[in-house]
Amino acid sequence: GEDVEQSLFLSVREGDSSVINCTYTDSSSTYLYWYKQEPGAGLQLLTYIFSNMDMKQDQRLTVLLNKKDKHLSLRIADTQTGDSAIYFCAERADYKLSFGAGTTVTVRA
Amino acid sequence: DGGITQSPKYLFRKEGQNVTLSCEQNLNHDAMYWYRQDPGQGLRLIYYSQIVNDFQKGDIAEGYSVSREKKESFPLTVTSAQKNPTAFYLCASSIRRTGLDEKLFFGSGTQLSVL
Repeated sequence: GEDVEQSLFLSVREGDSSVINCTYTDSSSTYLYWYKQEPGAGLQLLTYIFSNMDMKQDQRLTVLLNKKDKHLSLRIADTQTGDSAIYFCAERADYKLSFGAGTTVTVRA
Repeated sequence: DGGITQSPKYLFRKEGQNVTLSCEQNLNHDAMYWYRQDPGQGLRLIYYSQIVNDFQKGDIAEGYSVSREKKESFPLTVTSAQKNPTAFYLCASSIRRTGLDEKLFFGSGTQLSVL
């Protein structure tokens, strides 16, 4: 079965880096995704990584994948107040998408 | 602008009442989905549809029903059989469901509460 776990909360100072961690259980995962949800809104795809990659960088976002440990992380450089949101990790295995519970990131001045 | 529109933004249900949540997309996507979001939990799949006039149950379909008469529309009915309907409901679409790299596009959600 599939099970995606994330820590629920992260507080970070403006200008610092944020690191959000995620673990998954399904070794047949092909793609892993990071979505962002702002208050009262739907989810927005931030970035994704194919399972044969170990890193992907996209401007301030860096995704690291450790397939052996089934660990995925999202690093946000120079965190801004606009980055305050819930971040969801999701894995795709066997055409099914499974989401974690989301990490609420709070950016403090 | 292309996108997914959910309505209403807020909805209240009385005991024993069926309510219908609307989802419309103009992205020309084949696949559409309904998810339920509860605080502190991940999104759970209620129903999905890969093509017009076809839909499949997700992980928590009991107490819900859907239809897919048009490509653009995928309404969700929360029936009186759903005993704990209070949640945030998200509709999503993708170009097709069978691609391994399919990305979901989400609507802005409907908050359903019980009176």
